[in-house]
Amino acid sequence: RKEVEQDPGPFNVPEGATVAFNCTYSNSASQSFFWYRQDCRKEPKLLMSVYSSGNEDGRFTAQLNRASQYISLLIRDSKLSDSATYLCVAYQGGKLIFGQGTELSVKP
Amino acid sequence: EAGVVQSPRYKIIEKKQPVAFWCNPISGHNTLYWYLQNLGQGPELLIRYENEEAVDDSQLPKDRFSAERLKGVDSTLKIQPAELGDSAVYLCASSLSAGLETQYFGPGTRLLVL
Repeated sequence: RKEVEQDPGPFNVPEGATVAFNCTYSNSASQSFFWYRQDCRKEPKLLMSVYSSGNEDGRFTAQLNRASQYISLLIRDSKLSDSATYLCVAYQGGKLIFGQGTELSVKP
Repeated sequence: EAGVVQSPRYKIIEKKQPVAFWCNPISGHNTLYWYLQNLGQGPELLIRYENEEAVDDSQLPKDRFSAERLKGVDSTLKIQPAELGDSAVYLCASSLSAGLETQYFGPGTRLLVL
């Protein structure tokens, strides 16, 4: 079993839709969590950190549930430019553990 | 400010040949990482350097892979000999220090082994 698992995707949604990505992690010792975004044939870039209290950055909301070992990312009013792969990441033992990524395609 | 620089961007070699990748981190970043990313997967850490010291190389296949970071700045990752299964993207990242500092990734080297 992978340490960080995500919805397989791909998600194909129309512009303006709300889309939610789910992620689970297996190691309860994981200290911190992040969402990274990776455009096609580009490098991963930090999208946002994830806090237990939930955090929002514009149209993006991230949530962490430590009891369930579950992380989510909600994108509201999706734009064409949101099309990318979203990587769920856990920080543990001094390193980042990446999920396999979920591909999002936003269509006009 | 310049980002993480990697070269070459693409490399095609025949199996059993050696190959080397080069990385120049963001100026002032003490921690450097090499990741491997297979198609449809997230990056996996190969090795982490703090300055010139390799502090985590547990995922580096040491029979064929080697890395160095002389003088604690640039780094090279080498594969000798390359195998078909080594075809992947090799990403370099750097951060100001270890811990929860944001990691900045380079564009990667796309390797194809024939």
